[in-house]
Amino acid sequence: QQPVQSPQAVILREGEDAVINCSSSKALYSVHWYRQKHGEAPVFLMILLKGGEQKGHDKISASFNEKKQQSSLYLTASQLSYSGTYFCGTEMAGANSKLTFGKGITLSVRP
Amino acid sequence: DGGITQSPKYLFRKEGQNVTLSCEQNLNHDAMYWYRQDPGQGLRLIYYSQIVNDFQKGDIAEGYSVSREKKESFPLTVTSAQKNPTAFYLCASSKWTDQETQYFGPGTRLLVL
Repeated sequence: QQPVQSPQAVILREGEDAVINCSSSKALYSVHWYRQKHGEAPVFLMILLKGGEQKGHDKISASFNEKKQQSSLYLTASQLSYSGTYFCGTEMAGANSKLTFGKGITLSVRP
Repeated sequence: DGGITQSPKYLFRKEGQNVTLSCEQNLNHDAMYWYRQDPGQGLRLIYYSQIVNDFQKGDIAEGYSVSREKKESFPLTVTSAQKNPTAFYLCASSKWTDQETQYFGPGTRLLVL
């Protein structure tokens, strides 16, 4: 089951903050966040593990609500380089890192 | 440098033709994956492989085939049975264990002539 990402699109000015969300109807083992620039490969940002551990980017933070099966990515003091499409990939228990990706959220940061 | 390479960057297919997309990794990862990306659709899994000489269908395997003869290589063939092959194809790899992230190659854009 594909996770649902929200909102569909975000437009910011430089320096503003944003929150993007990822929710699943299934129990999750981990949530992976990626950013993709147009025509390029997705780049890994962060992984959130069941149990609360986080690994990844030091300028981007995220949370994982295990009860609600939701993850949120927090982008603070946004920079022009933050523009792109953000995908979450969800892993269920026993999936051995096989991920199901959401449709992505387009985020545009303007000067 | 460790990483994933895909070739070619652009590929053109004629009607009725099979084409093969290359994916190679030197990260010593056991698992490899092929995704198809269409605008607004996210990443959809075509095939994946956990180990040499073994692979499983993903969500949209029809019209595609793969092989895994070496740990480093996981080529994808788009067959003539795939009627709408125009898309951006991404290869990824990971350790085959829980809670490990996937790393992506640069992608191949396939266009139909």
